[in-house]
This record gives sequence, structure tokens and C-alpha cells, in this order.
Amino acid sequence: GQQLNQSPQSMFIQEGEDVSMNCTSSSIFNTWLWYKQDPGEGPVLLIALYKAGELTSNGRLTAQFGTTRKDSFLNISASIPSDVGIYFCAGSYNNNDMRFGAGTRLTVKP
Amino acid sequence: GAGVSQSPSNKVTEKGKDVELRCDPISGHTALYWYRQSLGQGLEFLIYFQGNSAPDKSGLPSDRFSAERTGGSVSTLTIQRTQQEDSAVYLCASSLTPSGSRPQHFGDGTRLSIL
Repeated sequence: GQQLNQSPQSMFIQEGEDVSMNCTSSSIFNTWLWYKQDPGEGPVLLIALYKAGELTSNGRLTAQFGTTRKDSFLNISASIPSDVGIYFCAGSYNNNDMRFGAGTRLTVKP
Repeated sequence: GAGVSQSPSNKVTEKGKDVELRCDPISGHTALYWYRQSLGQGLEFLIYFQGNSAPDKSGLPSDRFSAERTGGSVSTLTIQRTQQEDSAVYLCASSLTPSGSRPQHFGDGTRLSIL
């Protein structure tokens, strides 16, 4: 199905650096979710956002629901090697149509 | 366990054979979703169930693909006459309700390889 526009597609960073990735949509959402997928496993929910402007943290992760309701970003501070994986955004508007971004593949060099 | 369980975790089969993939959702979750993920790619929606019915089958790639759910719980995804392009990881997810505000929880997937 239709996907969100997620960027960047991939990132190569040094351990300790901060990371930022984002998703945009042509239509408004009232739910934004961020998932992380480790190799050989299914995506795991990191952060859920339900309100425009909402800023939510989970440890070193911070995500925001954009005020236009058409975008969201995820920041990771002080990256560590175990942050490696694929990060997916997902969004929906009042129905069962949860749409996923194509993912951001993160590589962290020690 | 408490999470979504999928079996088998890996399946290798010859082209032309039929395969059946199984998903056990989290207990009490009424909505169940199937996705396909090709190597290094995003999630391709296939089908979702609300209870035992499938309101949205729009993502099934061809009539070789079918899915059913019984008892509002276990679901099976069947691929008939498999082709090499069917090789992918098939992920199942469940959520408390089909509302978009309810996060989907994923299993670890079935890695399908067609020789």
C-alpha cells in the first residue's frame, strides 16, 4: 500500500553522535508510531504519539508529532552500537489504515 | 508467550509447492495483520482481519495468496504454487482493535525462501 516518505534512507554515524530521522505525509494523521527492527526480528514499538505537537522521550530517544500533523521526527542522542537497525515510522488517521515508511537503516561505527 | 508468535521461523521450499504460514496473535487482540518484507525493504501490507473477517484484502499480490483466521485468534497465510519472487520475510502483527490509534505488535516473521 501507499507509504510515507521517510528519510534518510540510510545513515552511517560514529558512536556517540546524535541521529535525526523524519517522516512526512501528504495527508494528516492523528497517530504517529516509531518502530525499530533488529536483524532477524520483527519491528518493536519504540514511541507512540497521539497529539499534534506532542514530544515524547524514551531513554535516549525523543520523538515529536509535527504541528501540521503531516510529519514526525525521531532523534537518538549519544548513539551506541546496539542502536544499529532499521527504524520505521508509521501513521494513521482514525481508521485501520496504518501506513509505514520505507525505513531508515542506521549503522553505528564504534 | 505474551507476544505474537509465528511459525515456522524459516521455510525453504521448491518452486511450485504450496506453503502455509501461521500466526498466533496476542491474546485478546481482535485485529491481525500480514505484511511482506523483501530483503532490506519496508513493509508491504497484504491483508488484515477484524475478528475472523478480512475487510481489506487489497494488498494480496495475486490469487495464489490467501489467508484465513479462525476463532478470532490463529491466522494462516497460504501461498499456492510458490514462485521465486515470493521469497521474503512474512510478518504478522496484532493490535487490540483495528483502530489506527492502537499500535501493532509484531512477531519475528517467517523467512521464506523459494528455490
